[in-house]
Amino acid sequence: TQLLEQSPQFLSIQEGENLTVYCNSSSVFSSLQWYRQEPGEGPVLLVTVVTGGEVKKLKRLTFQFGDARKDSSLHITAAQPGDTGLYLCAGGGTDAGGTSYGKLTFGQGTILTVHP
Amino acid sequence: DVKVTQSSRYLVKRTGEKVFLECVQDMDHENMFWYRQDPGLGLRLIYFSYDVKMKEKGDIPEGYSVSREKKERFSLILESASTNQTSMYLCASSFTLNTEAFFGQGTRLTVV
Repeated sequence: TQLLEQSPQFLSIQEGENLTVYCNSSSVFSSLQWYRQEPGEGPVLLVTVVTGGEVKKLKRLTFQFGDARKDSSLHITAAQPGDTGLYLCAGGGTDAGGTSYGKLTFGQGTILTVHP
Repeated sequence: DVKVTQSSRYLVKRTGEKVFLECVQDMDHENMFWYRQDPGLGLRLIYFSYDVKMKEKGDIPEGYSVSREKKERFSLILESASTNQTSMYLCASSFTLNTEAFFGQGTRLTVV
């Protein structure tokens, strides 16, 4: 079973601060997605990274996939109250040969609260 | 704009009732999923379907069943609702089993 561990579980910061959320595993993933979920709504896809070492930027959000495709990070610059929500990472499984296989594995999530 | 629509945002049911949660997607995806989400436990997969009339158990299938008679529709059935099934239920669809999932808005089910 492939597991994804997210850290921290909770993050409470002031507007304007920077933050990083981590998603780690001992398993290799074919791809890694990040989602944001607002209270009472379903998760919404933010980004997918597929290549080891890949970096993607979405306005103030920077996503990185580890070189070995076992971990990922989400960095938010100058956080705003609108960034508040649950952030989930999810990995696409691989077989022993590294080929895409199986279902998505979700991390437990990071609850981010940005105070004005 | 891609869409996954769940039939209800909020439901209140009595213990022992049979409950149907409906989900429809308009993306022609082969794969559909039902998750439940509880504080501290993350997303847990109940059932998924990779084709019409095909279904597979997820991590927590006990007390649930599913139906997929048409490609666009995936139903979750609580055979006899119990209070420990009070939760947020999320439906999702995807092009392949382990690529981007598109979620519905969720159904907050309360069993009293």
